[in-house]
Parts: sequence; C-alpha cells; structure tokens
Amino acid sequence: EVQVVESGGGLIQPGGALTLSCEASGFSVTRTYMSWVRQAPGKGLEWVSTLYSGGGSQYADSVKGRFTISRDKAKNTLFLQMKSLRVDDTAVYYCARHLLLSFGELDYFDYWGQGTLVTVSS
Amino acid sequence: EIVLTQSPATLSLSPGERATLSCRASQSVSNYVAWYQQKPGQAPRLLIYDASNRATGIPARFSGSGSGTDFTLTISSLEPDDFAVYYCQQRNSWPPLTFGGGTKVEIK
Repeated sequence: EVQVVESGGGLIQPGGALTLSCEASGFSVTRTYMSWVRQAPGKGLEWVSTLYSGGGSQYADSVKGRFTISRDKAKNTLFLQMKSLRVDDTAVYYCARHLLLSFGELDYFDYWGQGTLVTVSS
Repeated sequence: EIVLTQSPATLSLSPGERATLSCRASQSVSNYVAWYQQKPGQAPRLLIYDASNRATGIPARFSGSGSGTDFTLTISSLEPDDFAVYYCQQRNSWPPLTFGGGTKVEIK
C-alpha cells in the first residue's frame, strides 16, 4: 500500500529553522518525483518544491534560497529543510507523490500525507 | 506564472443536483489541468487529471472537460460525501505549479 507520513512540524520563532520529514512506503522516493505543497490556515494550496527522481529540484520563488528539498534512499524519506522562517510560512505542509502512470510521472499529485503544521510566531 | 481563477467561490446545491465548477487559466495550458477534492482536516484527493481522465477509484459521476484556458468539473448528481472544496491545478508551464483558489460546494 502506498503511503506517505509527514512529521517535524511545530512552533518556531521567526528567523528559525525546522526540518520536515516524509516517510514513504509502498514505493521508492528515489524512483519518482516528490513535492511539498503547503496550505496556510483557511487558504488554498501552494506548491513549494519538487525533487525529481534524477536528483534535480525546483522551488517556489517565495522559498528559494531558504528551503532545501532532499531525500534519504535508505530511509525512503523525503525532507524539507527550512531556514530563515517567516510568519507567512505558517501552514500545513503536505508531502505528495507525483502521479505515476505506466508511461511515467505527470506533475499532479496522487498520494498525499496527512500534513504537518508549521507555525511561525514569536 | 499561470494564474488559475475558479468560479463560483461557493456553490450551494442540494443532494442529487448537478454541480458545474469552472477553472479559467490566465493563458493556455493545453489540457494539462487536474481537479482535487478536499474535505476539512484532510489532504486533497486527486479526481481528474489532464482535463478529463478520472484518477483511480474516482466515481463516474465526476467528469472533467475543457482545453486551452477554460475547464469544467461536473458532478452529475451530488451525493452527501461530495460537499467539499474543489481545486484545479495546472502543469503546463512550471515552475511554479499553480492551483486555483478553490470552489466550496455546500449543502443548500
């Protein structure tokens, strides 16, 4: 069964750092594209970052230079290292797998975790 | 950046009625649009990809159409479990991947 489970959220002061984890099961995070998507309280969905199976990555402008996406093959886990956190980074952060079809990946999301809440506040 | 505008913001309907949700792109996205359903406290669920393809396990009452800049999600006959927020998303031109602002389908 395919599953992703996020952890690592919490309350952090502005300017602080936090690392989120996303443990996957039922598939390998190194063999597909994985993304982080966030949702501020009461707001819509915002794409944050993508890690390609080949190791390349993409970031939203709002987090570029502050967030780093990575993975650990042995732990089958995706990470999001966040630094210089701002109040407007407050959100539920979801880990999501890109839609995997017989011919490859499409840049939509077919499996999502339950999310982990990051609150940036003094 | 491609902006997706969803309308209406809220749709008030009764079970059994037909729901028609709209998503308009700021420039052509070909047919590269998906639709998601999100219920309170839950992660989004993929319903439709590439405008008209139902994702695995999605009931036939959900259908998608459109191309270019105008897309529609139709729920043919609303069931109680369908009252939720729906988002569209484009993959034609990124980064960034972008989502619409959402349409809330509420019980009338």
